[in-house]
Amino acid sequence: EVQLVQSGAEVKKPGESLKISCKGSGYSFTSYWIGWVRQMPGKGLEWMGIIYPGDSDTRYSPSFQGQVTISADKSISTAYLQFSSLKASDTAMYYCARTMSGTYYFDYWGQGTLVTVSS
Amino acid sequence: EIVLTQSPATLSLSPGERATLSCRASQSVSSYLAWYQQKPGQAPRLLIYDASNRATGIPARFSGSGSGADFSLTISSLEPEDFAVYYCQQRSSWPRTFGQGTKLEIK
Repeated sequence: EVQLVQSGAEVKKPGESLKISCKGSGYSFTSYWIGWVRQMPGKGLEWMGIIYPGDSDTRYSPSFQGQVTISADKSISTAYLQFSSLKASDTAMYYCARTMSGTYYFDYWGQGTLVTVSS
Repeated sequence: EIVLTQSPATLSLSPGERATLSCRASQSVSSYLAWYQQKPGQAPRLLIYDASNRATGIPARFSGSGSGADFSLTISSLEPEDFAVYYCQQRSSWPRTFGQGTKLEIK
């Protein structure tokens, strides 16, 4: 069974750094792209970026380029989303999701990680 | 960046009725469009990919159509569990983008 399990909710202060994780299981982790999607409170889905763990090829949306870093450690089948200096506007639910083979659509999703940034 | 515009923003219907949701792209995406369903407190679920293909386990009452810049998601007869928010997403060009969503609510 394909599963993506994300790290737990975080409460941080502005300016702090954060790295959230997404562990894949039940499939070949290095053979599928993993993406990150932001959902701000009460808002829609925003495509942030995607990584291919097999060779670490990474693509970002211009809206998020330079604001976050996406990485993966294939030895432990885990993808990461990193923030270097959090802002209140980073408060959101963050989902990781696996792409369906041969496409860039997301067929399996993690449960989401809620990040709250508040002073 | 391709902008996807969904309409209507909110659709109010009753169980058993037919729902038609629209997604229009700012330029052609060929048939590279998907639809997702999201219920409160849950992650999205892939319904339709490449405009008209149902994802694994999706009931036959869900169908997708369209190509180029205009797409539709149709739910032939609404079940109580279908009331949710629906998003479209394109994979034609980078960055991949989502529409802003259509909320399907019970009338």
